[in-house]
Parts: sequence; C-alpha cells; structure tokens
Amino acid sequence: KAGVTQTPRYLIKTRGQQVTLSCSPISGHRSVSWYQQTPGQGLQFLFEYFSETQRNKGNFPGRFSGRQFSNSRSEMNVSTLELGDSALYLCASGQGEENIGELFFGEGSRLTVL
Amino acid sequence: GQNIDQPTEMTATEGAIVQINCTYQTSGFNGLFWYQQHAGEAPTFLSYNVLDGLEEKGRFSSFLSRSKGYSYLLLKELQMKDSASYLCAVVDMDSNYQLIWGAGTKLIIKP
Repeated sequence: KAGVTQTPRYLIKTRGQQVTLSCSPISGHRSVSWYQQTPGQGLQFLFEYFSETQRNKGNFPGRFSGRQFSNSRSEMNVSTLELGDSALYLCASGQGEENIGELFFGEGSRLTVL
Repeated sequence: GQNIDQPTEMTATEGAIVQINCTYQTSGFNGLFWYQQHAGEAPTFLSYNVLDGLEEKGRFSSFLSRSKGYSYLLLKELQMKDSASYLCAVVDMDSNYQLIWGAGTKLIIKP
C-alpha cells in the first residue's frame, strides 16, 4: 500500500511569509502527527490529530497551526515565518487511538526561510 | 514531568556489538519505541516494548525494565549501514497517549 506522502518536499520562503504543508497518511490510518526536526536535534512534537480532532499539541507558538480533514489528510500552516523555522517537517501516520502501534513517517518537507 | 535521556553519540566497530541506552521519567508509561533514522531520511520503526524483558528481532534486540525506567537497544554484528541516529520514544497515557521523544543517539560505525 502507498506510504505517507508529504508535499512539497522542498520549499524556500522569506521571513514574514506563511507556508502550508500537506500530509496524506496511509489509507485507513486515522492518526496524523507533525514534528519539527532541526540539524542535530530530536523530533520536536507540533501536534497530533485523530479523526479530525486535535488530540495533543506541543509547545510551539500560535503561528503554528494544523487541521485534519474527513479523509484523514492533514495540513499544517506556519504564519509570519522566522529564520528559526527553517527545518525538516515530518508527518507520521498511525492506525490506532492510543499510539500503541507503529508510526509511519513521510519523507518530510524541508523548509528554508531566508 | 516527562524526560527521556539518551547518549548523544556513540562509536563502534564493524562486526562488533553496541548497546544504546534510554532512560525515561513519565507518569503514565504505556510503551516504548525505538526508531532508526539515517541522515536525510525519515525515521523507521525498529521495536516496541510494553512489557519487561528482551525482544529479539534479527540483529537488533530491545530490552525494557519498567521499574527502572530503562531501555536499551542492542545491535549485533554491526554493519556500516547501521550508522544512523537511534531515537527512543515513550507513550505517555497521562498526556493523552502522546509520544515523548528523546533527542536521539548518533551511532558511528568504523571499519
């Protein structure tokens, strides 16, 4: 079956702009999580959606937002971009409600803010 | 609070054995994952432990002690392709089953 698809894979923006990233989970998966990863850092949790509801949220400013659609596809948006937002944004999909199963990660969207 | 600790970097020799430790503090432990991430790639699943003991899967094994808040990933017969970061993550049911991630251990394999 098809894996997790993230678009776009690479993008360059300037400070002050906004960006929307998309994630299509594996068919049948209802959970989508978003992470930010900077060089040498671990995964910083952004938010998690399950059946269109935000179930968890990390410690990121309100400029970071997300949503999930009825088909489980998810988008995240970052407004008023800052240089420090340059990172790899990873999306992960899961089957269950209680995170007891394997997460499947997409290849990520690499954002560069100039 | 929640906290996960892993060594930042380890070096090992091809063909040898290496053990990567992970200690955690969380109020509502409900399982521990190990993921492998090669540079520039997405993390991939290695193992999931929820009960105490050792789970073996080929060259990789994962151990869990819930009473000690401790896990390790054991890699045998190391190959150059095992050079990667290894991420430990804990499921915290007191945080709505959120996954809490360690910063990862970068493993360098030398010939």
